[in-house]
Amino acid sequence: EAQVTQNPRYLITVTGKKLTVTCSQNMNHEYMSWYRQDPGLGLRQIYYSMNVEVTDKGDVPEGYKVSRKEKRNFPLILESPSPNQTSLYFCASRGQVPYEQYFGPGTRLTVT
Amino acid sequence: QKEVEQNSGPLSVPEGAIASLNCTYSDRGSQSFFWYRQYSGKSPELIMSIYSNGDKEDGRFTAQLNKASQYVSLLIRDSQPSDSATYLCADHTGGFKTIFGAGTRLFVKA
Repeated sequence: EAQVTQNPRYLITVTGKKLTVTCSQNMNHEYMSWYRQDPGLGLRQIYYSMNVEVTDKGDVPEGYKVSRKEKRNFPLILESPSPNQTSLYFCASRGQVPYEQYFGPGTRLTVT
Repeated sequence: QKEVEQNSGPLSVPEGAIASLNCTYSDRGSQSFFWYRQYSGKSPELIMSIYSNGDKEDGRFTAQLNKASQYVSLLIRDSQPSDSATYLCADHTGGFKTIFGAGTRLFVKA
């Protein structure tokens, strides 16, 4: 089954404790992206990757890091999480064309 | 900053009616638009894409694009309670970025 998986699905952590949210896709897609979703603000792009070892900032990259060492994986790293990073996070992937994205199930992160 | 605007709603329609969802976009050069449906606590799922001016129909759904007026709409015919969700309009602005609207909440009353 074609899918995007994320782990963990739920995470509660404390300010400053480094964490990683994993994302993996099995569709051999070149393009992957991370979004955060907050009430009233919709989906905002954090980082995206066009292929292995190629990443770029989205609209809200501050406080986040990413890496793309393998085509299927695109982890999101929060080196020092803060309460304003409490949000619902989605990973997405797509091929070259068409441009429709496939989303993972989401990770709900709470930083206290 | 490129933007996609949507009325947050909620939009409430009776079962069997036509629901009309709209969005406007700021980038006159945008070419590709998508409608996603998102149930509460779930991930967005693609409903339709539209790339050309005019209408595109798929079952009960019709997407409309008017590039001159920079708006995109989604019509849902014979609305069902299971259509109750948030509908996200997205503008693929070219390159590798996609700009999403904040979404419109739709309630279909049985």
